[in-house]
Amino acid sequence: NAGVTQTPKFQVLKTGQSMTLQCAQDMNHEYMSWYRQDPGMGLRLIHYSVGAGITDQGEVPNGYNVSRSTTEDFPLRLLSAAPSQTSVYFCASRRQAQMNTEAFFGQGTRLTVV
Amino acid sequence: GQQVMQIPQYQHVQEGEDFTTYCNSSTTLSNIQWYKQRPGGHPVFLIQLVKSGEVKKQKRLTFQFGEAKKNSSLHITATQTTDVGTYFCAGPRAAGNKLTFGGGTRVLVKP
Repeated sequence: NAGVTQTPKFQVLKTGQSMTLQCAQDMNHEYMSWYRQDPGMGLRLIHYSVGAGITDQGEVPNGYNVSRSTTEDFPLRLLSAAPSQTSVYFCASRRQAQMNTEAFFGQGTRLTVV
Repeated sequence: GQQVMQIPQYQHVQEGEDFTTYCNSSTTLSNIQWYKQRPGGHPVFLIQLVKSGEVKKQKRLTFQFGEAKKNSSLHITATQTTDVGTYFCAGPRAAGNKLTFGGGTRVLVKP
C-alpha cells in the first residue's frame, strides 16, 4: 500500500509565484487535511476536508486554497508565495471524519520561498 | 480556542535513563493521540487514549490519560538511541473535525 503520497518532496519558489502541492491517498479515507510544521510550533492545520466536495478552514488558512474533487486527491494551492510560507507541509488522511481514528501522514514537502 | 501544550520542548536524555513528557489541554478532550516523528521523517501514530485515567503500554513506552481528561503523559524507560525524535500529542477540537497538535517534545539521546 502506498498510503499517503505527497509531491514534490522539495520545492524552491520565488516570492509571488504560485504552485500546487499534491496529495493522494489510496486507503479510501473520507477525511484529508493539510498541516504546516515550523520549528517550535508543532503542526498547524491549514485546511481539511470531510469528504469529496467538502472543504473547510483550519487554524492558518490565509494564502492557501484547497479543493476535493475526488476521495483520493486533496491538492493545496499557494496563490502568491511569501517567505512566511517557508515550511514543511504534511498531508494527512483519516478513515472517517471522526476524532477516534488515527491520522496517516505523507512524507512531507519541504518548501522554501526566497 | 482550545490549546494543547507540551512540556518540555526539548529533552536531553542519557541512554538508559527514563524520562517523561507531558501534554496539557485547556479544555476537556474526548480522546488524545500520540505521534512520533523521527528526524527528517513524518509523524507516525503511536496510540490513542479514550477513557479517564487510562494507562496503555507499548514495550518501554507508557501512556496515561488524566482523570479529568485534560492532560496526558508519555513515560519512556531505559531510553535507547532508537527513541530519538519528536513526540506529539494531539486532541480533537470540540467544535469540529480538527485535530490540534501540541508543539512537541524533541528527544535527544546521549549514548
